[in-house]
Amino acid sequence: TQLLEQSPQFLSIQEGENLTVYCNSSSVFSSLQWYRQEPGEGPVLLVTVVTGGEVKKLKRLTFQFGDARKDSSLHITAAQPGDTGLYLCAGAFHKGGKLIFGQGTELSVKP
Amino acid sequence: DTEVTQTPKHLVMGMTNKKSLKCEQHMGHRAMYWYKQKAKKPPELMFVYSYEKLSINESVPSRFSPECPNSSLLNLHLHALQPEDSALYLCASSQEGGGVGAFFGQGTRLTVV
Repeated sequence: TQLLEQSPQFLSIQEGENLTVYCNSSSVFSSLQWYRQEPGEGPVLLVTVVTGGEVKKLKRLTFQFGDARKDSSLHITAAQPGDTGLYLCAGAFHKGGKLIFGQGTELSVKP
Repeated sequence: DTEVTQTPKHLVMGMTNKKSLKCEQHMGHRAMYWYKQKAKKPPELMFVYSYEKLSINESVPSRFSPECPNSSLLNLHLHALQPEDSALYLCASSQEGGGVGAFFGQGTRLTVV
């Protein structure tokens, strides 16, 4: 059973376009995190959201945690080739709990 | 220092070999993790150490043996592995449990021949 459904799994866009990645679950999480991973490297933590309805911005990236803490989205404005990579959402059921990863979104931004 | 350092970066081993993967962090994090990741897939949790004690073992085969010598170090001892164990092995650490965000190392690319 996949607790975190991430979509789309693959996304290929042109430089300058906007995109949104979704992470959905029927379970309530105490927090949700987004990571970006480049080939041959470990995932890099982008953001942690903990409060329902919370919105965080990181330059051109906007992260939102759903009001019910069951879903999250990542929106990228004016994508650049440097945004290419695997984007992973991960949820935790409590502060001391293990992370549950979504399947990942493979993003390719072409110049 | 916000780094998690893993060595070696690449490892090729035979099915009868014994080898160890090493991980080090100096962020004062009390939770450390081993993950296994196959190509184009998300990381799969193997082990969690909390305050230097093994708190989670995700039914990992005994040919993988974790060890936490102190709060900064985490090892993964490998013995009699199979070719299907070839993967990227990631170490991570966090302040407490995973809910506050984890810092990952670069990983060890393991190939079993």
